[in-house]
Amino acid sequence: GAGVSQSPSNKVTEKGKDVELRCDPISGHTALYWYRQSLGQGLEFLIYFQGNSAPDKSGLPSDRFSAERTGGSVSTLTIQRTQQEDSAVYLCASSLGGGSGTDTQYFGPGTRLTVL
Amino acid sequence: GENVEQHPSTLSVQEGDSAVIKCTYSDSASNYFPWYKQELGKGPQLIIDIRSNVGEKKDQRIAVTLNKTAKHFSLHITETQPEDSAVYFCAASFRGSQGNLIFGKGTKLSVKP
Repeated sequence: GAGVSQSPSNKVTEKGKDVELRCDPISGHTALYWYRQSLGQGLEFLIYFQGNSAPDKSGLPSDRFSAERTGGSVSTLTIQRTQQEDSAVYLCASSLGGGSGTDTQYFGPGTRLTVL
Repeated sequence: GENVEQHPSTLSVQEGDSAVIKCTYSDSASNYFPWYKQELGKGPQLIIDIRSNVGEKKDQRIAVTLNKTAKHFSLHITETQPEDSAVYFCAASFRGSQGNLIFGKGTKLSVKP
């Protein structure tokens, strides 16, 4: 079946502009995660959605970052007033969910964001 | 805060040799330890995982061992092939959130023909 999809695959923007990154999880997966991967680094957790529960926003680096998940499916990560240090690959993952913390997470291909 | 340390950061082996990557974690409540393989320009793909109720798991040429007392776990790849070349990430579940994982910084594995 279809995996996690993300769009756009690449985004180049100017410092100070807002950007929106989209994630379509695997159908039926109730959990959705956003991570950030800077060049040569590991994955940094940003935010986690589980069903209709309040999201875990503990990884968001600043109030310029926000995310929504509409209808329990598609998610949008928004970065306002982008800065050069926001340049990274933004990865989305989904899992069956249930809150056990041991679900297998399936990753999308990522969106490479470049802030000039 | 909680973290996962991964070593080595780069590893080069000859085709047919074995490769071992090691990780240590700090959260004693971690109970799920997946390993991901990331090829250039792609998202990470799960290759094997282990839960805290077992000490070892094997899938063909790949095996993972877990030592909960010492809080470390390792990935073993035997009979390496050039297509094994990629960046490998370990991760551990984090009790601070029921869903997220803490990742190591990755190991770039190069398998030379």
